[in-house]
Amino acid sequence: GESVGLHLPTLSVQEGDNSIINCAYSNSASDYFIWYKQESGKGPQFIIDIRSNMDKRQGQRVTVLLNKTVKHLSLQIAATQPGDSAVYFCAETSSGSARQLTFGSGTQLTVLP
Amino acid sequence: DAGVIQSPRHEVTEMGQEVTLRCKPISGHNSLFWYRQTMMRGLELLIYFNNNVPIDDSGMPEDRFSAKMPNASFSTLKIQPSEPRDSAVYFCASGPTTSSYNEQFFGPGTRLTVL
Repeated sequence: GESVGLHLPTLSVQEGDNSIINCAYSNSASDYFIWYKQESGKGPQFIIDIRSNMDKRQGQRVTVLLNKTVKHLSLQIAATQPGDSAVYFCAETSSGSARQLTFGSGTQLTVLP
Repeated sequence: DAGVIQSPRHEVTEMGQEVTLRCKPISGHNSLFWYRQTMMRGLELLIYFNNNVPIDDSGMPEDRFSAKMPNASFSTLKIQPSEPRDSAVYFCASGPTTSSYNEQFFGPGTRLTVL
């Protein structure tokens, strides 16, 4: 039968392993990207951002990579912990959009003990 | 700072009733956004304000939805009359400005159930 609702991509990783979450975008004019983390019952929380004049940015345990050629964004989480279990969204914006964010559908990350 | 504050956190109402959701943005932020999140459609932007003025309301589903921002520290999203398909989590977010590279800070959301 026809599926209803969003089919969230899922990623399961062992505690302590590294996680890589991917995101594709379509707007070649997008020049600012943000990764958000949303835990169950909470609002999206900012993790890290990157501008289009960069291809890599590092934070605490997280790294964002941007490949503008193929319009691909990834979030790498080092030494994944149980508290990292959440839905992760990428968001993009451009100056032409008056800085409105366009969100991806999200990826469910589950950290296994 | 307490972050973006939304109230109520949960609302259960019957079809046809008026629902008012409230938001207090982070002090000093001059942009405010209302989003709706459902399993079917994900996170959707409904409307956003800059300096208390509505800039783009093209995401508002229909005339039953209205939003106001009477001052820099308060906004409301009203649904009248409410319908079961309006059931969703409604988020308010604020940001320093819409003209530069700035993140949006989200509130905890209001979970609305329309019976």
